[in-house]
Amino acid sequence: AQSVAQPEDQVNVAEGNPLTVKCTYSVSGNPYLFWYVQYPNRGLQFLLKYITGDNLVKGSYGFEAEFNKSQTSFHLKKPSALVSDSALYFCAVRPSGSARQLTFGSGTQLTVLP
Amino acid sequence: IAGITQAPTSQILAAGRRMTLRCTQDMRHNAMYWYRQDLGLGLRLIHYSNTAGTTGKGEVPDGYSVSRANTDDFPLTLASAVPSQTSVYFCASSADGWGNTEAFFGQGTRLTVV
Repeated sequence: AQSVAQPEDQVNVAEGNPLTVKCTYSVSGNPYLFWYVQYPNRGLQFLLKYITGDNLVKGSYGFEAEFNKSQTSFHLKKPSALVSDSALYFCAVRPSGSARQLTFGSGTQLTVLP
Repeated sequence: IAGITQAPTSQILAAGRRMTLRCTQDMRHNAMYWYRQDLGLGLRLIHYSNTAGTTGKGEVPDGYSVSRANTDDFPLTLASAVPSQTSVYFCASSADGWGNTEAFFGQGTRLTVV
């Protein structure tokens, strides 16, 4: 069965500093990996995805993520955090080549301190 | 504005009552999904539909049913609500059901079963 782990419930970072939100996954075969963001009282919004190709994926709002197959990780990063980046972030995975659906992690609350 | 509309936005429901959460999309997406979001558990898939006329069970389908009579609508029914179904429910859609495209989420329905 596929699974996603977000080991940190909460990440705090100062504005202007780099941020990392961690994600590891377990899936049979090649993974499709996604990051979504949720602002208060809103639905999830797509940030970026890895399907194939370059291991470094660039997405919306200056975010990027690096696919590391040997470590089965897909950490979300941003070089310089903004207060407006404060939100709940979800990693999701599904295996390629099947009709199974996305499995989401439990979420990481990112707080950027001014 | 294109997107997903969920109704109602919130509801307090007596245990044992029947309730249908409505979801409509105008993006002509093939796939639609229902998730529930609970603190510390992330999003869990209830039911999905890869195309009109077909549905499938997700991770937590018990107590819920869905139908997909056409492309645009994907209602979720609780036949006899129980307090454990208190949650925030999100409807989502994607262009395909194979994970190649990102999902778009509605604003959510906050349901409280008392």
